[in-house]
Amino acid sequence: KQEVTQIPAALSVPEGENLVLNCSFTDSAIYNLQWFRQDPGKGLTSLLLIQSSQREQTSGRLNASLDKSSGRSTLYIAASQPGDSATYLCAVNAGNNRKLIWGLGTSLAVNP
Amino acid sequence: GAVVSQHPSRVICKSGTSVKIECRSLDFQATTMFWYRQFPKKSLMLMATSNEGSKATYEQGVEKDKFLINHASLTLSTLTVTSAHPEDSSFYICSARDEGALWDGYTFGSGTRLTVV
Repeated sequence: KQEVTQIPAALSVPEGENLVLNCSFTDSAIYNLQWFRQDPGKGLTSLLLIQSSQREQTSGRLNASLDKSSGRSTLYIAASQPGDSATYLCAVNAGNNRKLIWGLGTSLAVNP
Repeated sequence: GAVVSQHPSRVICKSGTSVKIECRSLDFQATTMFWYRQFPKKSLMLMATSNEGSKATYEQGVEKDKFLINHASLTLSTLTVTSAHPEDSSFYICSARDEGALWDGYTFGSGTRLTVV
């Protein structure tokens, strides 16, 4: 049974710091992995999607890596800003139209 | 990119009444949509998979007679909370995937905050 864990559960950093959020999964037979951002009381915004055959994806200040064999993904945020404050969720997809398996999220606070 | 529209964003209803939440894929067709529930400061809990033209598939512990799902077209799924009670108060979110697109990630609606008084 696939289980997804996110560490840390909460993180508070000063503005400008580079930071890494971690996501680990127990079953390496994944289709893809997706990182999302959720602001309080809002829906989810997709940040990055990594296919099982890929090692990393980049979008602006965000970089997500995937090491399927070790069951790990990281989300790297460069030069953090207060507007990055949100909850970051990773979700593993086992296949086409299969349900996503979710981590509990990392709550990030970037302090000005 | 794919856009999922969810309405209403916020609803307050009285105990015993029913509430319908709509989830629309605006620029793509979705044979499958997913309905989630989220409790405060908790992660998402999948309630059911909505299948176009057929019955929804409910997760264990979710009452199908309580949470009615209808997916009558390729762009619309609805979740009806019947005979709502205060314990049904929660944040409900839908998602879908553009099966015809190269990008095969999931897109989420903006969520519906349901308060039952």
